[in-house]
Amino acid sequence: AQKITQTQPGMFVQEKEAVTLDCTYDTSDQSYGLFWYKQPSSGEMIFLIYQGSYDEQNATEGRYSLNFQKARKSANLVISASQLGDSAMYFCAMSSVQGAQKLVFGQGTRLTINP
Amino acid sequence: GAGVSQSPSNKVTEKGKDVELRCDPISGHTALYWYRQSLGQGLEFLIYFQGNSAPDKSGLPSDRFSAERTGGSVSTLTIQRTQQEDSAVYLCASSFQTNTEAFFGQGTRLTVV
Repeated sequence: AQKITQTQPGMFVQEKEAVTLDCTYDTSDQSYGLFWYKQPSSGEMIFLIYQGSYDEQNATEGRYSLNFQKARKSANLVISASQLGDSAMYFCAMSSVQGAQKLVFGQGTRLTINP
Repeated sequence: GAGVSQSPSNKVTEKGKDVELRCDPISGHTALYWYRQSLGQGLEFLIYFQGNSAPDKSGLPSDRFSAERTGGSVSTLTIQRTQQEDSAVYLCASSFQTNTEAFFGQGTRLTVV
């Protein structure tokens, strides 16, 4: 069975600082995908970034990067130069096989950016 | 449509009644997923449709829950004889293929009183 653990229920960061949101996972699959989603107060889930288990390089999407450490089974999200609009819930998730199949989600981290 | 559309956005129902939640995926997306987000529970997978294949129902919590997808497009999640523990936000997502990112709707907030 797959499991995602997010150990930070809440994070408070000053605007313009970088922030790292932690995510560790557990799976016996050799091939899997790792995702980060943002959920603002409006409720919709917004896809941020994806990392396949066989991808050699860390994924990057604009201000978002995924620090993938396969041996440690961690997939931390790094947000550079945080903005007030980054305040939201952030969920780490994984799927079996590389791709967006049924996802197992972590409990989430509530990120608050202070001006 | 431009995104995944869910209706209603809010539903309050009495315990014991049946409810139907609707999801209209992004046009052309072959995969459709239902998730449930309960307070303090995170998101849990319910059911997954891919094209004409038999759906993966492994996440449905009880036989009171069922879902169908007509014509490979619109999906309806039905909860029979609702219980208070069914209160949650029900999220639908779709993706072009099984190995591409999923786009979520804004959810239906179900409250069972």
